[in-house]
Amino acid sequence: TAGITQAPTSQILAAGRSMTLRCTQDMRHNAMYWYRQDLGLGLRLIHYSNTAGTTGKGEVPDGYSVSRANTDDFPLTLASAVPSQTSVYFCASSRGTGDQETQYFGPGTRLLVL
Amino acid sequence: GQNIDQPTEMTATEGAIVQINCTYQTSGFNGLFWYQQHAGEAPTFLSYNVLDGLEEKGRFSSFLSRSKGYSYLLLKELQMKDSASYLCAVRDRNYQLIWGAGTKLIIKP
Repeated sequence: TAGITQAPTSQILAAGRSMTLRCTQDMRHNAMYWYRQDLGLGLRLIHYSNTAGTTGKGEVPDGYSVSRANTDDFPLTLASAVPSQTSVYFCASSRGTGDQETQYFGPGTRLLVL
Repeated sequence: GQNIDQPTEMTATEGAIVQINCTYQTSGFNGLFWYQQHAGEAPTFLSYNVLDGLEEKGRFSSFLSRSKGYSYLLLKELQMKDSASYLCAVRDRNYQLIWGAGTKLIIKP
Protein backbone atom coordinates (compact mmCIF):
# COMPACT_ATOMS: atom_id res chain seq x y z
CA THR A 1 0.00 0.00 0.00
CA ALA A 2 1.08 3.59 -0.60
CA GLY A 3 0.43 4.72 2.98
CA ILE A 4 0.42 8.49 3.01
CA THR A 5 1.19 10.62 0.00
CA GLN A 6 1.77 14.36 -0.08
CA ALA A 7 1.90 16.80 -2.97
CA PRO A 8 3.75 18.73 -4.08
CA THR A 9 7.17 17.47 -2.95
CA SER A 10 8.47 21.02 -2.89
CA GLN A 11 7.28 24.46 -3.85
CA ILE A 12 8.51 28.03 -4.08
CA LEU A 13 5.69 30.46 -3.40
CA ALA A 14 5.52 34.23 -3.61
CA ALA A 15 4.40 35.98 -0.45
CA GLY A 16 0.72 36.82 -0.53
CA ARG A 17 -0.19 33.91 -2.78
CA SER A 18 -2.41 31.06 -1.65
CA MET A 19 -1.57 27.40 -1.82
CA THR A 20 -3.05 24.04 -0.87
CA LEU A 21 -0.86 21.19 0.30
CA ARG A 22 -2.44 17.85 -0.43
CA CYS A 23 -2.41 14.77 1.77
CA THR A 24 -4.02 11.41 1.05
CA GLN A 25 -3.87 8.17 3.02
CA ASP A 26 -5.07 4.72 1.99
CA MET A 27 -4.96 3.05 5.40
CA ARG A 28 -8.52 4.02 6.38
CA HIS A 29 -7.12 5.80 9.42
CA ASN A 30 -9.58 7.91 11.36
CA ALA A 31 -7.20 10.61 12.57
CA MET A 32 -5.00 12.89 10.49
CA TYR A 33 -2.56 15.65 11.37
CA TRP A 34 -0.55 18.46 9.85
CA TYR A 35 2.82 19.39 11.35
CA ARG A 36 5.52 21.84 10.42
CA GLN A 37 9.18 21.11 11.12
CA ASP A 38 11.69 23.94 11.46
CA LEU A 39 15.40 23.69 12.19
CA GLY A 40 16.09 23.48 15.90
CA LEU A 41 12.45 23.03 16.82
CA GLY A 42 10.32 19.98 17.38
CA LEU A 43 7.45 19.09 15.11
CA ARG A 44 4.63 21.53 15.79
CA LEU A 45 1.00 20.61 15.26
CA ILE A 46 -0.91 22.96 12.97
CA HIS A 47 -4.32 21.30 12.70
CA TYR A 48 -5.73 17.87 13.27
CA SER A 49 -8.82 15.83 12.52
CA ASN A 50 -9.91 12.98 14.78
CA THR A 51 -12.44 11.72 12.25
CA ALA A 52 -13.94 12.70 8.91
CA GLY A 53 -16.07 15.82 9.19
CA THR A 54 -14.26 17.23 12.24
CA THR A 55 -11.15 19.37 12.61
CA GLY A 56 -9.29 21.03 15.46
CA LYS A 57 -6.58 23.62 16.01
CA GLY A 58 -3.11 22.63 17.10
CA GLU A 59 -0.27 24.64 18.55
CA VAL A 60 0.34 26.92 15.53
CA PRO A 61 -2.91 27.22 13.50
CA ASP A 62 -2.75 30.90 12.47
CA GLY A 63 -2.54 31.42 8.72
CA TYR A 64 -3.61 27.86 7.94
CA SER A 65 -6.94 26.14 7.34
CA VAL A 66 -7.93 22.52 6.81
CA SER A 67 -10.92 20.47 5.80
CA ARG A 68 -11.80 16.78 6.16
CA ALA A 69 -14.57 15.98 3.73
CA ASN A 70 -13.76 12.25 3.69
CA THR A 71 -11.55 9.71 5.47
CA ASP A 72 -8.71 9.71 2.96
CA ASP A 73 -7.95 13.38 2.27
CA PHE A 74 -6.78 16.18 4.55
CA PRO A 75 -5.67 19.27 2.59
CA LEU A 76 -3.89 22.19 4.24
CA THR A 77 -4.44 25.68 2.80
CA LEU A 78 -2.32 28.77 3.22
CA ALA A 79 -4.63 31.65 2.36
CA SER A 80 -1.96 34.34 2.00
CA ALA A 81 1.56 33.00 2.45
CA VAL A 82 4.20 34.84 4.49
CA PRO A 83 7.95 34.13 4.67
CA SER A 84 7.62 32.74 8.23
CA GLN A 85 5.62 29.87 6.73
CA THR A 86 8.76 28.61 5.02
CA SER A 87 9.10 25.14 6.48
CA VAL A 88 8.82 21.43 5.86
CA TYR A 89 5.23 20.29 6.23
CA PHE A 90 4.41 16.72 7.25
CA CYS A 91 1.02 15.09 7.12
CA ALA A 92 0.46 12.14 9.44
CA SER A 93 -2.32 9.72 10.24
CA SER A 94 -3.23 7.26 12.97
CA ARG A 95 -5.88 4.59 13.29
CA GLY A 96 -7.34 6.31 16.32
CA THR A 97 -6.42 8.75 19.07
CA GLY A 98 -5.84 6.39 22.01
CA ASP A 99 -2.73 5.99 24.12
CA GLN A 100 -0.85 3.54 21.93
CA GLU A 101 -1.91 4.86 18.55
CA THR A 102 1.14 5.38 16.38
CA GLN A 103 1.27 8.23 13.92
CA TYR A 104 2.51 7.45 10.41
CA PHE A 105 4.05 10.24 8.37
CA GLY A 106 3.98 11.23 4.74
CA PRO A 107 7.20 12.19 2.91
CA GLY A 108 6.72 15.92 3.49
CA THR A 109 6.38 19.07 1.42
CA ARG A 110 9.23 21.57 1.42
CA LEU A 111 7.83 25.08 1.08
CA LEU A 112 9.84 28.24 0.50
CA VAL A 113 7.92 31.53 0.72
CA LEU A 114 9.70 34.50 -0.80
CA GLY B 1 4.45 25.27 29.48
CA GLN B 2 5.24 21.91 28.01
CA ASN B 3 8.82 20.98 27.31
CA ILE B 4 10.76 18.07 25.87
CA ASP B 5 14.57 18.21 26.17
CA GLN B 6 17.05 16.15 24.18
CA PRO B 7 20.72 16.68 23.36
CA THR B 8 21.14 18.42 20.03
CA GLU B 9 23.84 16.16 18.66
CA MET B 10 25.77 13.04 19.63
CA THR B 11 28.64 11.17 18.01
CA ALA B 12 29.35 7.46 18.36
CA THR B 13 31.48 4.79 16.74
CA GLU B 14 30.25 1.99 14.51
CA GLY B 15 29.70 -1.16 16.55
CA ALA B 16 29.41 0.71 19.84
CA ILE B 17 26.42 1.49 22.09
CA VAL B 18 24.83 4.91 22.48
CA GLN B 19 22.18 6.22 24.86
CA ILE B 20 20.00 9.18 23.86
CA ASN B 21 18.24 10.85 26.77
CA CYS B 22 14.92 12.66 26.83
CA THR B 23 13.41 14.59 29.74
CA TYR B 24 9.92 15.97 29.67
CA GLN B 25 7.55 18.28 31.48
CA THR B 26 4.06 18.00 30.08
CA SER B 27 0.49 18.55 31.15
CA GLY B 28 -0.44 14.95 31.69
CA PHE B 29 1.18 11.81 30.32
CA ASN B 30 -0.33 9.22 28.04
CA GLY B 31 2.75 7.56 26.64
CA LEU B 32 6.15 8.36 25.16
CA PHE B 33 7.28 7.65 21.61
CA TRP B 34 10.64 7.49 19.89
CA TYR B 35 10.90 8.11 16.16
CA GLN B 36 13.83 7.93 13.76
CA GLN B 37 14.23 10.51 11.00
CA HIS B 38 16.86 10.25 8.30
CA ALA B 39 17.88 13.53 6.67
CA GLY B 40 15.29 14.69 4.18
CA GLU B 41 12.86 11.93 5.07
CA ALA B 42 9.77 11.43 7.20
CA PRO B 43 9.89 10.34 10.84
CA THR B 44 9.32 6.61 11.34
CA PHE B 45 8.11 4.94 14.54
CA LEU B 46 10.66 3.12 16.72
CA SER B 47 9.13 2.51 20.15
CA TYR B 48 6.38 3.29 22.63
CA ASN B 49 6.50 3.29 26.44
CA VAL B 50 3.64 3.97 28.81
CA LEU B 51 4.72 1.99 31.88
CA ASP B 52 8.01 2.32 33.74
CA GLY B 53 10.76 0.04 32.59
CA LEU B 54 12.63 -1.16 29.56
CA GLU B 55 11.14 -2.15 26.23
CA GLU B 56 13.51 -4.09 23.99
CA LYS B 57 13.13 -4.40 20.24
CA GLY B 58 16.14 -5.91 18.52
CA ARG B 59 19.12 -3.56 18.64
CA PHE B 60 16.95 -0.76 20.03
CA SER B 61 15.64 -0.45 23.59
CA SER B 62 13.66 2.32 25.25
CA PHE B 63 13.37 3.05 28.95
CA LEU B 64 10.84 5.13 30.85
CA SER B 65 10.67 6.56 34.36
CA ARG B 66 7.43 8.47 34.79
CA SER B 67 8.32 9.72 38.28
CA LYS B 68 11.50 11.33 36.91
CA GLY B 69 9.99 12.51 33.62
CA TYR B 70 12.79 10.69 31.85
CA SER B 71 13.32 8.30 28.99
CA TYR B 72 16.24 7.03 27.01
CA LEU B 73 16.74 5.24 23.73
CA LEU B 74 19.56 2.73 23.68
CA LEU B 75 21.06 1.70 20.37
CA LYS B 76 23.40 -1.30 20.35
CA GLU B 77 25.83 -2.59 17.71
CA LEU B 78 25.66 0.72 15.89
CA GLN B 79 25.62 0.65 12.11
CA MET B 80 26.31 3.48 9.68
CA LYS B 81 22.64 3.43 8.68
CA ASP B 82 21.74 4.46 12.24
CA SER B 83 23.03 7.94 11.44
CA ALA B 84 19.80 9.93 11.76
CA SER B 85 17.87 12.21 14.08
CA TYR B 86 15.98 10.59 16.94
CA LEU B 87 12.81 12.33 18.07
CA CYS B 88 11.22 11.96 21.49
CA ALA B 89 7.49 12.74 21.78
CA VAL B 90 5.07 12.66 24.70
CA ARG B 91 1.31 12.28 24.43
CA ASP B 92 -0.20 14.84 26.78
CA ARG B 93 -3.52 14.90 28.62
CA ASN B 94 -5.30 16.09 25.47
CA TYR B 95 -3.83 13.13 23.58
CA GLN B 96 -1.71 15.42 21.43
CA LEU B 97 1.94 14.59 20.77
CA ILE B 98 4.48 17.10 22.10
CA TRP B 99 7.78 16.73 20.25
CA GLY B 100 11.37 17.32 21.22
CA ALA B 101 13.68 19.01 18.70
CA GLY B 102 15.46 15.74 18.08
CA THR B 103 18.98 14.41 18.60
CA LYS B 104 21.21 14.16 15.55
CA LEU B 105 23.30 11.00 15.87
CA ILE B 106 26.52 10.86 13.86
CA ILE B 107 28.12 7.44 13.47
CA LYS B 108 31.84 7.32 12.68
CA PRO B 109 33.62 4.27 11.23
